[in-house]
Amino acid sequence: AQKITQTQPGMFVQEKEAVTLDCTYDTSDQSYGLFWYKQPSSGEMIFLIYQGSYDEQNATEGRYSLNFQKARKSANLVISASQLGDSAMYFCAMRDEGYSTLTFGKGTMLLVSP
Amino acid sequence: SQTIHQWPATLVQPVGSPLSLECTVEGTSNPNLYWYRQAAGRGLQLLFYSIGIDQISSEVPQNLSASRPQDRQFILSSKKLLLSDSGFYLCAWSVGSPTDTQYFGPGTRLTVL
Repeated sequence: AQKITQTQPGMFVQEKEAVTLDCTYDTSDQSYGLFWYKQPSSGEMIFLIYQGSYDEQNATEGRYSLNFQKARKSANLVISASQLGDSAMYFCAMRDEGYSTLTFGKGTMLLVSP
Repeated sequence: SQTIHQWPATLVQPVGSPLSLECTVEGTSNPNLYWYRQAAGRGLQLLFYSIGIDQISSEVPQNLSASRPQDRQFILSSKKLLLSDSGFYLCAWSVGSPTDTQYFGPGTRLTVL
């Protein structure tokens, strides 16, 4: 069974600083996909970044990067130069090979202060 | 470009009343469609997913049902709502390869009183 663990219920960071949100996963499959989503107070889930298990390089999308450590089964999200608008819940999710469904972690609330 | 719509945005219903939430995707064909529920302060729970018309899988047994009357329309229903059905309902779509990324709608906030 898939499992996603986000151990940080909340994180605080000052504007313009970098922050790392932790995510570990558990799967016996060799092929899988890892996703990060942002959920602001409005509720909509916004896709941020994707990492495939066979991708040799860490994924990057603008200020977002994914620190993928396959042997440790971790897929941490790094946000560089935090902005006030980054304050939101962040969810890590995984899709196993052959499935279209995602398993989500419980999320981390990020608060960015001026 | 693709867009996904959900309505209503908010809904307050009494216990025992019926429910119908609608989700429509524009700008793509043959999408995979999903219904999730998010209880207050918690993660997402997959309720149903569909890879085509008349192909709907249920992930959690409960008093909810889903239908897909058209290729890009997904409906979540209930004949009799329970208090525990309160939550935030999100619809999502994906188109398979290469990453099968799911894109979410704005959600419906349901309160059952």
